[in-house]
Amino acid sequence: EVQLVESGGGLVQPGRSLRLSCAASGYTFEDYAMHWVRQAPGKGLEWVSGISWNSGSIGYGDSVKGRFTISRDNARNSLYLQMNSLRVEDTAFYYCVKGRSAAYYYGMDVWGQGTPVTVSS
Amino acid sequence: SYELTQPPSVSVSPGQTASITCSGDKLGNKYASWYQQKPGQSPILVIYQDSKRPSGIPERFSGSNSGNTATLTISGTQAMDEADYYCQSWDSGTVVFGGGTKLTVL
Repeated sequence: EVQLVESGGGLVQPGRSLRLSCAASGYTFEDYAMHWVRQAPGKGLEWVSGISWNSGSIGYGDSVKGRFTISRDNARNSLYLQMNSLRVEDTAFYYCVKGRSAAYYYGMDVWGQGTPVTVSS
Repeated sequence: SYELTQPPSVSVSPGQTASITCSGDKLGNKYASWYQQKPGQSPILVIYQDSKRPSGIPERFSGSNSGNTATLTISGTQAMDEADYYCQSWDSGTVVFGGGTKLTVL
């Protein structure tokens, strides 16, 4: 069974940094792209970032470009999201999501339970 | 930037057919996926590559995509299908979600 477990969320002040992690199990992690998707309270889904199987192709949503960095460690079956210069509007539930193929633009299938991030002074 | 537009809400009676649309420029030339999200839960994939169902998704869920519109159809809608539904596609290196549609079964 595919499992994705996020960690690292919490309360952080505007302008500060936070690093999210996602531990994957139940499948061959290095064969698939990965994504971060967020959902602000009471709002819809917003794609944050995606990374291909070998980190050779990476994409970001416009609202986080230049502030967030996605990375992965295939040896550790882990996905990361480094979030810098956080803003109040980054407050959301952040989901780790498995891609459907090696390339991140083929969509996604299995979602983690998410980790909450609150940006507030 | 590329946008996908969904109706905010759709209502359907139990046992009837629900259709949820997703509109985007030349969407029919891209693949569309659909996700179901119930309150307090993570989304689950119900349709990928326009019309394919993942294992475990009931046959009453189907999808199509042509022109500028992708459609999620739920035949014989059940009370358990009440949820938010999101379409998703891809354009120029960016994954895009629609704004979501709240399906009410009443």
